[in-house]
Amino acid sequence: DAKTTQPPSMDCAEGRAANLPCNHSTISGNEYVYWYRQIHSQGPQYIIHGLKNNETNEMASLIITEDRKSSTLILPHATLRDTAVYYCIVRPRGSDKLIFGTGTRLQVFP
Amino acid sequence: GAGVSQSPRYKVAKRGQDVALRCDPISGHVSLFWYQQALGQGPEFLTYFQNEAQLDKSGLPSDRFFAERPEGSVSTLKIQRTQQEDSAVYLCASSLDGGAPGSGYTFGSGTRLTVV
Repeated sequence: DAKTTQPPSMDCAEGRAANLPCNHSTISGNEYVYWYRQIHSQGPQYIIHGLKNNETNEMASLIITEDRKSSTLILPHATLRDTAVYYCIVRPRGSDKLIFGTGTRLQVFP
Repeated sequence: GAGVSQSPRYKVAKRGQDVALRCDPISGHVSLFWYQQALGQGPEFLTYFQNEAQLDKSGLPSDRFFAERPEGSVSTLKIQRTQQEDSAVYLCASSLDGGAPGSGYTFGSGTRLTVV
């Protein structure tokens, strides 16, 4: 079973920040938070991951609350090409597999 | 190649037919994963290889599903006596080291299987 809860869909205006929330209230100390996205007709694409500190890379920022029970993926300036399904996944350290939920369908509009 | 390559891209099979789906992982990637994605759902784990060893096949839905990776590189997912419920996109992913925290997976574009 997926250990995360995400809203099924969100909209965002092009050029604005997209903030995608994820609840993982049962996360344990050795579990990482991963984000992937899946653009139509493609395989999922890795975005970012973190344990307890906030993380940033060229694609996005990941904000994890102090109690680690929730996180937010931030796309600072959304473009039409960011329209996709975004998956938040918790994964134990050393675990070999990712367990996907149903994700959030983000629609970026002009 | 630069990415994970899957073939065929599309496959239509008659019910009862056997099919074989191929995955070419990124060269040097130790770990290889197969996922099944039904329409409108997230990918569901099927099986996992580390080199040629199949370490986890807990997600295979029935004994009609079989996967192999005999030389630790290319993998084949075989489905025998296909049923309509097998219709899905089959995704393959590889990673340099499946268990390492920083190890992101690279997915292929998948094979869309339609059983008629």
